[in-house]
Amino acid sequence: DAKTTQPPSMDCAEGRAANLPCNHSTISGNEYVYWYRQIHSQGPQYIIHGLKNNETNEMASLIITEDRKSSTLILPHATLRDTAVYYCIARPGAQKLVFGQGTRLTINP
Amino acid sequence: NAGVMQNPRHLVRRRGQEARLRCSPMKGHSHVYWYRQLPEEGLKFMVYLQKENIIDESGMPKERFSAEFPKEGPSILRIQQVVRGDSAAYFCASSPPGLAGGDEQFFGPGTRLTVL
Repeated sequence: DAKTTQPPSMDCAEGRAANLPCNHSTISGNEYVYWYRQIHSQGPQYIIHGLKNNETNEMASLIITEDRKSSTLILPHATLRDTAVYYCIARPGAQKLVFGQGTRLTINP
Repeated sequence: NAGVMQNPRHLVRRRGQEARLRCSPMKGHSHVYWYRQLPEEGLKFMVYLQKENIIDESGMPKERFSAEFPKEGPSILRIQQVVRGDSAAYFCASSPPGLAGGDEQFFGPGTRLTVL
């Protein structure tokens, strides 16, 4: 799996967009970019994934640069319940997830 | 469609006892993964199973740990002769039958094992 680099922590005001960056400069052509989050001590929650194109679902948007060396997860209107550790993972399909340290996102009222 | 189920949610064992953790994947999912999260640490992959097969056990400790996913019934993670260092949250995830890529894993709520 390609190594990913994320800032250890970020803050965002409630109601604003939260933009979480991830660098994956050694990503291979067949590796997808996945985002998961873990709220407190719950099980990780899948957010979104993509290969080349930008993706959007009901939770978030994923912007992948054209060279695929970095990506940004966007939570458009952050709420207090979005406070969590966010993990960016690059991997091929049906294989294990390799979690790094992630970004601890704190949403402030 | 019920999510991934794990039981028990909390398990207390004394040193030397055995711990059995169960995971029922989502309906229609045939891939199961086990992860461990030690206190104040990140999630670490342990093992990846398909029905009746271990696909990747590169994250499993060499001794005392075993996993199975039988044709019928839940996946079992078994820890023999537990030690205090085994105290952790154990998460199970499942995914549907393999696509070429882009399959997300759905996680259960975890089993919190405490070894006294």
